[in-house]
Amino acid sequence: IAGITQAPTSQILAAGRRMTLRCTQDMRHNAMYWYRQDLGLGLRLIHYSNTAGTTGKGEVPDGYSVSRANTDDFPLTLASAVPSQTSVYFCASSETGTDTQYFGPGTRLTVL
Amino acid sequence: GQNIDQPTEMTATEGAIVQINCTYQTSGFNGLFWYQQHAGEAPTFLSYNVLDGLEEKGRFSSFLSRSKGYSYLLLKELQMKDSASYLCAVMDSNYQLIWGAGTKLIIKP
Repeated sequence: IAGITQAPTSQILAAGRRMTLRCTQDMRHNAMYWYRQDLGLGLRLIHYSNTAGTTGKGEVPDGYSVSRANTDDFPLTLASAVPSQTSVYFCASSETGTDTQYFGPGTRLTVL
Repeated sequence: GQNIDQPTEMTATEGAIVQINCTYQTSGFNGLFWYQQHAGEAPTFLSYNVLDGLEEKGRFSSFLSRSKGYSYLLLKELQMKDSASYLCAVMDSNYQLIWGAGTKLIIKP
């Protein structure tokens, strides 16, 4: 592995179901981020973590939760999916919270 | 509120030069980033400006004027593979990136 991986690549989900999007990085970066990207809008930050064991809320955190048990992994959980959460989700990481961010390949999520 | 503005779409000819503008209003400024995003792929880092002036990196250059809240990305000797969206992002006072909606660049032969 070199960089950031995300799983699954795409998913179709029924409304009300619980879903966890996985993100793993092997660059030993301290900071990690979850964004959503919707047509016509800029990337919007959902949650972030500046270091293992800490997390923070971004611009659009409602309906999402994260955990950062170790440096490499930063899963994003939708507790009860709704159609408005249909989007492309990108995980990113940076060496520290002030450095250039590098992105994973994304997860395309459709909630019906 | 915080705002990043960039044109929605631009068209240019292979071999030519194109300038993509970005204006911003943010709470604080800790640098401006340009990313390239091909359709269906992840954004990839192109450039970073924190001081006024021009940063050159091969065929790509990025300019920043902090007093005007303005940046541009200059692409020279355009190639078909440069067809992509170009995203402008500003790091605000909380060190969070605020993103523009992106400029879709179409290159014609």
